[in-house]
Amino acid sequence: GQNIDQPTEMTATEGAIVQINCTYQTSGFNGLFWYQQHAGEAPTFLSYNVLDGLEEKGRFSSFLSRSKGYSYLPLKELQMKDSASYLCAVTKLIFGTGTRLQVFP
Amino acid sequence: EPEVTQTPSHQVTQMGQEVILRCVPISNHLYFYWYRQILGQKVEFLVSFYNNEISEKSEIFDDQFSVERPDGSNFTLKIRSTKLEDSAMYFCASSGGPIQPQHFGDGTRLSIL
Repeated sequence: GQNIDQPTEMTATEGAIVQINCTYQTSGFNGLFWYQQHAGEAPTFLSYNVLDGLEEKGRFSSFLSRSKGYSYLPLKELQMKDSASYLCAVTKLIFGTGTRLQVFP
Repeated sequence: EPEVTQTPSHQVTQMGQEVILRCVPISNHLYFYWYRQILGQKVEFLVSFYNNEISEKSEIFDDQFSVERPDGSNFTLKIRSTKLEDSAMYFCASSGGPIQPQHFGDGTRLSIL
């Protein structure tokens, strides 16, 4: 089976740094993907990892450890517009429930 | 930047009626997907499509659902006899490869009355 866990909600203030974690269990692994979804909108692609380590991609990097079934998305210098749900997904894609991040001034 | 387009943006249909949701994937992409998201819930995989056939489908994608690529640009999802619980946002996505990032359309909000 497949199982993806991520925190349901997080809060932070503008300018802060947060790390959104994701753990997964899956039969067959082709990659882990991070998407951002604002309320009422489509998911938009942020970053993905196929191999272990940190994948740096501008503001949105992502880290993967396949042996631990773990990934995280570090968000730096938070802005109000970063308030959204952050979705972790594996392979085809099987999505987690998403982490709703609220950024406060 | 190329994008996935979906029509209509909102579809209202009577229960029991057939509905067709349309998508135009990014032109050089070869892998196509449908997802749904019931209000307040997570995005759920329905089906993937490659080389003119279904490559994988979920338990949600039962006999009431079908997909088709009727021409070189469109990719459609048909629900044969809609039920109230089919009310959801339906997203189409496409990618250039099986482990390449998927790009989503803006979705079709389907409301079943």
